[in-house]
Amino acid sequence: NAGVMQNPRHLVRRRGQEARLRCSPMKGHSHVYWYRQLPEEGLKFMVYLQKENIIDESGMPKERFSAEFPKEGPSILRIQQVVRGDSAAYFCASSPQKSEQFFGPGTRLTVL
Amino acid sequence: DQQVKQNSPSLSVQEGRISILNCDYTNSMFDYFLWYKKYPAEGPTFLISISSIKDKNEDGRFTVFLNKSAKHLSLHIVPSQPGDSAVYFCAASASNTDKLIFGTGTRLQVFP
Repeated sequence: NAGVMQNPRHLVRRRGQEARLRCSPMKGHSHVYWYRQLPEEGLKFMVYLQKENIIDESGMPKERFSAEFPKEGPSILRIQQVVRGDSAAYFCASSPQKSEQFFGPGTRLTVL
Repeated sequence: DQQVKQNSPSLSVQEGRISILNCDYTNSMFDYFLWYKKYPAEGPTFLISISSIKDKNEDGRFTVFLNKSAKHLSLHIVPSQPGDSAVYFCAASASNTDKLIFGTGTRLQVFP
């Protein structure tokens, strides 16, 4: 059973470009969570999705950020018009239900 | 407002001795607590969890203690091994939400 997969592992974007981060949950897991970790900080919750539904997006910035978890395919975290402050590690986690969340290896976004 | 606090940014312990990592929380709605271990450039790895109906949970070398009245939990690792050297994150969630609130982490170093 493969773990949570994220790609790309590293992403470099120039200011103003778009960043797309992908997450494939563990097999059988229908809950997906996105977290962001800034340097020297803990992980901050961004959004919680189930298939085709956003359940909780209380941690998402109001502008430029969006997330989806379509019926088929991976969950996508999309950042439009990236700025230097978006540089961080973005982690995806999945769970089968309310229980421990299993994390992927993360995508490290660098905005030049 | 940091709802989950890990006040010790680092801890150094000799191999074979006990490591005690501490975590405090402020939100009385939290009812589920977890510890994660994180190596550089990897995602957090789930270690152990505890529900608020318990005050102790043990799994091999790892034991988590919960003191609800003090809003405090701790992770004990005994005996400590060099491979335990990593950053340890405490996390909490409430029954009305699935998002995890993370502390800022404690860097544990186990030396021979």
